[in-house]
Amino acid sequence: QSVLTQPPSVSGAPGQRVTISCTGSSSNIGADYDVHWYQQLPGTAPKLLIYDNNNRPSGVPDRFSGSKSGTSASLAITGLQAEDEADYYCQSYDSLSGSHVIFGGGTKLTVL
Amino acid sequence: QVQVVQSGAEVKKPGSSVKVSCKASGGTFRNYTISWVRQAPGQGLEWMGRIIPILGITNYAQKFQGRVTVIADKSTTTAYMELSSLRSEDTAVYYCARGQFDESSVYETYYFDYWGQGTLVTVSS
Repeated sequence: QSVLTQPPSVSGAPGQRVTISCTGSSSNIGADYDVHWYQQLPGTAPKLLIYDNNNRPSGVPDRFSGSKSGTSASLAITGLQAEDEADYYCQSYDSLSGSHVIFGGGTKLTVL
Repeated sequence: QVQVVQSGAEVKKPGSSVKVSCKASGGTFRNYTISWVRQAPGQGLEWMGRIIPILGITNYAQKFQGRVTVIADKSTTTAYMELSSLRSEDTAVYYCARGQFDESSVYETYYFDYWGQGTLVTVSS
């Protein structure tokens, strides 16, 4: 059971927009800790996609964006492409759990 | 160009220990942290602990306290994670990942911008 809750799966057709939610609590996202997002393609290591809620590392397309409000955060992907099919994880910091660094359970994005 | 390279796959018996290495190059060792994150087959990511190499300070997830040890060799810019008392549930891919650290302000980031390729550890009798 992850401290951050994500939907197990989302899907969308090429060109569409999808969002992935990440719900936390008052000891993590709600405590104003930043949220980060990773993309994991099959058989590879996670890749940083969004850091500090809404910042993209160099090389990440602007089709990817992040937002945060209250105890939740979201990752939006516009202009969906086949290569976006992957697992996506949110991550934050928690002041109360036994693990300061916490991840969401992951969301499988399927491009139809 | 930053590179993070881990040691190869391991097969271990239950009750034994495993030590995985993580060599970071292309950056300044004193300007970052190294965390260890594992992923069981078909499962999500789980943070185990981290070290600030320049200070030698470690922090572990409560779940792994007493079983995991993370060290760093500044001379070779290599970090190591040792997990003891292995059981079948420890079968997973183990990743090292780099965070940022500012020595002057003692501030660290908790996101990971570079990851190793992963090391599969299989625990089986």
